[in-house]
Amino acid sequence: AQSVTQPDIHITVSEGASLELRCNYSYGATPYLFWYVQSPGQGLQLLLKYFSGDTLVQGIKGFEAEFKRSQSSFNLRKPSVHWSDAAEYFCAVGSGGYQKVTFGIGTKLQVIP
Amino acid sequence: DVKVTQSSRYLVKRTGEKVFLECVQDMDHENMFWYRQDPGLGLRLIYFSYDVKMKEKGDIPEGYSVSREKKERFSLILESASTNQTSMYLCASAGQNYGYTFGSGTRLTVV
Repeated sequence: AQSVTQPDIHITVSEGASLELRCNYSYGATPYLFWYVQSPGQGLQLLLKYFSGDTLVQGIKGFEAEFKRSQSSFNLRKPSVHWSDAAEYFCAVGSGGYQKVTFGIGTKLQVIP
Repeated sequence: DVKVTQSSRYLVKRTGEKVFLECVQDMDHENMFWYRQDPGLGLRLIYFSYDVKMKEKGDIPEGYSVSREKKERFSLILESASTNQTSMYLCASAGQNYGYTFGSGTRLTVV
């Protein structure tokens, strides 16, 4: 069965600093990988997804992620964080049929001035 | 704008009550999902449905059932609510290529 590990539960960064959120997955075949963001009191919004092809994926809000098969990782990055990026971020892996997705436990990002 | 609508934003129910959480999507999606979200545990899949009247158990189905009588509506049922079912419940529907759309969630408190 597939699984997702997000090793950092909380991360604090200064506004304007760079950001990297870690994600490792376990899945036998080529995975479908996703990053979602959840702002306080909101549902989840898709930031980006990887299915195949170029391993560097661009998403919305200036985020990007890189798929590294050798490390089973799909880390999320942003070169300069804004205060509005404070939210919870979920990595997820899709498997098999029915569009089923398994989520990580999330990383809560705090942005300080 | 495409939407997944969950009927209640907040619910308070008593232990032992039968609870219905409703979810409606307007995107003609085949697949719909119910997750619960708890701090430190992320989102866990309760049930999903891939067609009308078709359903599959997710990772934590115990204490829950679902109903999908129409394509656009997917209901989560707590047969006899317990305090350990106090949680945020998220509904989602998915089109092609894992195009998930989430509802805003229902925060259920069982007292």
